[in-house]
Amino acid sequence: DIVMTQSPDSLAVSLGERATINCKSSQSVLYSSSNKNYLGWYQQKPGQPPKLLIYWASTRESGVPDRFSGSGSGTDFTLTISSLQAEDVAVYYCQQYYSTPYTFGQGTKLEIK
Amino acid sequence: EVQLVESGGHLVEPGGSLRLSCAASGFTFSSDDMNWVRQTPGKGLEWVSYISSSGSIIYYADSVKGRFTISRDNAKNSLSLQMNSLRAEDTAVYYCARRSTRSRAFDIWGQGTMVTVSS
Repeated sequence: DIVMTQSPDSLAVSLGERATINCKSSQSVLYSSSNKNYLGWYQQKPGQPPKLLIYWASTRESGVPDRFSGSGSGTDFTLTISSLQAEDVAVYYCQQYYSTPYTFGQGTKLEIK
Repeated sequence: EVQLVESGGHLVEPGGSLRLSCAASGFTFSSDDMNWVRQTPGKGLEWVSYISSSGSIIYYADSVKGRFTISRDNAKNSLSLQMNSLRAEDTAVYYCARRSTRSRAFDIWGQGTMVTVSS
């Protein structure tokens, strides 16, 4: 199984500042034939299901604000929120969909400082 | 509106059975692969099972293999999860989620249904 490890577990950032969340996979999730990383980022607010923010490691889902960006390849990935807004308070998960079991990171709780 | 609505969650005793359903609307259900994902209270997300659009390919997490059965009825736009030999550790919110044909990520999620396994 591919193990996904996020860091940090929790993060407090001031409004308008940058937030960075890291995700590391225990093996590469880069599909060589397509040159795509099978890595997604999700946002979950209390009482709500997860919401897809980023797929292919760096492509924003339709309707997601451009302050959210994803980067990385292979085994190391980053989700960046360029200017934190109050509505971004949530738990963020990375997920690999390269192979089953489709594993998630343990989550990073993002709060306002 | 693209929507997934789960139902069937309940309080059940250990060793019991439960059948969850997921009703899809607003998209061509028969074209999309589907999944069940669960979330234990206050904890993270765990993928449970996958079924291809035609139903011909199925995968399970090791934690549920041999106890859970995923199925779908494309004529009724419905996904199901039959859960047998339930254990306390199966207590969770169960979500159905669509795997996008475009992105291959899980782009549509239902609101979830709560399963509690307790005596």
